[in-house]
Amino acid sequence: GAVVSQHPSWVICKSGTSVKIECRSLDFQATTMFWYRQFPKQSLMLMATSNEGSKATYEQGVEKDKFLINHASLTLSTLTVTSAHPEDSSFYICSARVPGGGQPQHFGDGTRLSIL
Amino acid sequence: DAKTTQPPSMDCAEGRAANLPCNHSTISGNEYVYWYRQIHSQGPQYIIHGLKNNETNEMASLIITEDRKSSTLILPHATLRDTAVYYCIVRVASGGSQGNLIFGKGTKLSVKP
Repeated sequence: GAVVSQHPSWVICKSGTSVKIECRSLDFQATTMFWYRQFPKQSLMLMATSNEGSKATYEQGVEKDKFLINHASLTLSTLTVTSAHPEDSSFYICSARVPGGGQPQHFGDGTRLSIL
Repeated sequence: DAKTTQPPSMDCAEGRAANLPCNHSTISGNEYVYWYRQIHSQGPQYIIHGLKNNETNEMASLIITEDRKSSTLILPHATLRDTAVYYCIVRVASGGSQGNLIFGKGTKLSVKP
């Protein structure tokens, strides 16, 4: 089946640093990938839609200058949390949609980000 | 997007069938029903999806009512590893940014020995 790999799985860093998270579709090409955030005991919230070769589309309330998204190839999207602060600590999850009408999205295993 | 309604929690005995209901009374004709589950501290796992017909795969069966206003996910022989939050999502089968999934609160399934 379709596999989405996300790296790293866990990051702990100091306040003010930038953190890059990678999302790769391993066995299919994805023109569109999605980035979600999940706080404890809450459901997943869509942050942005990553489009290969064009700018990402951000959901209302998500700062595009803080959460930089790059989708440079059909198998890789990256999310960079710039100047991270403790309130950015969360579980970040990416997904990629298998091409074809009605095909499902497949998710990575998520990245646990802890900002000290 | 059509909104879905799921019970917040359910219990199931190990080895028995788990039947998880979902109401989607405002579903449109071009919207699919997708089921995912999330085990603690992991990304959501795709289970099954369907449009009109019932579907079955190695993980589960999906029963969609004739009017498409509700569906049931069936795990035929639940195991302890099936304990997770199960999400029922309806979404149009289109590309680009319209293909994103909107997660509700799901059903917390607890499989007990």
